[in-house]
Amino acid sequence: GNSVTQMEGPVTLSEEAFLTINCTYTATGYPSLFWYVQYPGEGLQLLLKATKADDKGSNKGFEATYRKETTSFHLEKGSVQVSDSAVYFCALDYGGSQGNLIFGKGTKLSVKP
Amino acid sequence: DTGVSQDPRHKITKRGQNVTFRCDPISEHNRLYWYRQTLGQGPEFLTYFQNEAQLEKSRLLSDRFSAERPKGSFSTLEIQRTEQGDSAMYLCASSLTSGNTDTQYFGPGTRLTVL
Repeated sequence: GNSVTQMEGPVTLSEEAFLTINCTYTATGYPSLFWYVQYPGEGLQLLLKATKADDKGSNKGFEATYRKETTSFHLEKGSVQVSDSAVYFCALDYGGSQGNLIFGKGTKLSVKP
Repeated sequence: DTGVSQDPRHKITKRGQNVTFRCDPISEHNRLYWYRQTLGQGPEFLTYFQNEAQLEKSRLLSDRFSAERPKGSFSTLEIQRTEQGDSAMYLCASSLTSGNTDTQYFGPGTRLTVL
């Protein structure tokens, strides 16, 4: 079946460090891929998305590239800030009549000053 | 604020009671989704509507769970005869269908605690 696997957390980094959160997926066909972020005490927010192979999604300094050959959508940021501390979720969606998102378990990121 | 809203934000109930949650989507969005999120896990899909039609409900966790969207605007999720295992965050999301990919926007969630 369709699934998303994320690297286990928590991840603790110092401010200005480089961030990578790995995400791989198992799916038939060509899903769209998403990263959502959940800040403490808040709801899920869309961070970025990519709808086809080799697309790069980017927002707020975060980037992820849809790699069909490795079935991956790793999240990266060159220099993290304390305000990036949150839980990050990778998700896939077939769209159309399928409807739902399939989420990974989430990766908690803590950034220390 | 014109985002997705949910009410209540928190609900504490005793085992065996019925609870109902409300979701108001972004006004022009035609799709509405319900998810459940337990501690340390990603959201798990429950059901969704396109306008007033419930297009997928096989993922509802048991027959104690039901959802409605009678006029294609707000939606309610009801859990009958609650159990302690129902304790979780219940999330609502909405989207506007466009092409093959919808972007879902989430509300703040309703946290349910069953004692």
